[in-house]
Amino acid sequence: GAGVSQSPSNKVTEKGKDVELRCDPISGHTALYWYRQSLGQGLEFLIYFQGNSAPDKSGLPSDRFSAERTGGSVSTLTIQRTQQEDSAVYLCASSLGGGYTEAFFGQGTRLTVV
Amino acid sequence: QKEVEQNSGPLSVPEGAIASLNCTYSDRVSQSFFWYRQYSGKSPELIMSIYSNGDKEDGRFTAQLNKASQYVSLLIRDSQPSDSATYLCAVKKDSNYQLIWGAGTKLIIKP
Repeated sequence: GAGVSQSPSNKVTEKGKDVELRCDPISGHTALYWYRQSLGQGLEFLIYFQGNSAPDKSGLPSDRFSAERTGGSVSTLTIQRTQQEDSAVYLCASSLGGGYTEAFFGQGTRLTVV
Repeated sequence: QKEVEQNSGPLSVPEGAIASLNCTYSDRVSQSFFWYRQYSGKSPELIMSIYSNGDKEDGRFTAQLNKASQYVSLLIRDSQPSDSATYLCAVKKDSNYQLIWGAGTKLIIKP
């Protein structure tokens, strides 16, 4: 696709339910980032995939959060047993990888846990 | 010390003036630097990338990089109300190309 695509755009879920957020990066981009942004706050790093290397999971806030990237392309962020504090905008970005490359963001998924 | 630091603002600039946004970073070996603009309720949008010491100009925007002093700045000439947004500085780590972000500076252009 022409840009990074995220789905769904909005998700309302009940506390305790599991959710899956999808990111489809720009074709050919080997690096993929997930961030979380609460209202009025900065970007909170969650996880970083770079090619076939082991992902950097150091930003995942708890073991309820996991992410995978299948075939080096589409990524899914899964949140199990959602809590109200998980409510935020989840942003995905991708880049060509390597040092001198630019990252581009999707439009984000707004998650609301009620 | 945070890896990437920005003044949170808000920075208020009159319309038509030059807005100057600054960012400092701690990793001396970083090679890639980026400025993003984020409007309220939207995702960050890339404005400029800079990789070499000196200035890089693109329209009304100029990015300045000083690796010796470990800072990167963004100048916006002839500021417009539509430039009002949060500006995010990002630095790519040389070790694994992970992006490290500043907290952002909120810029307000007053008509």
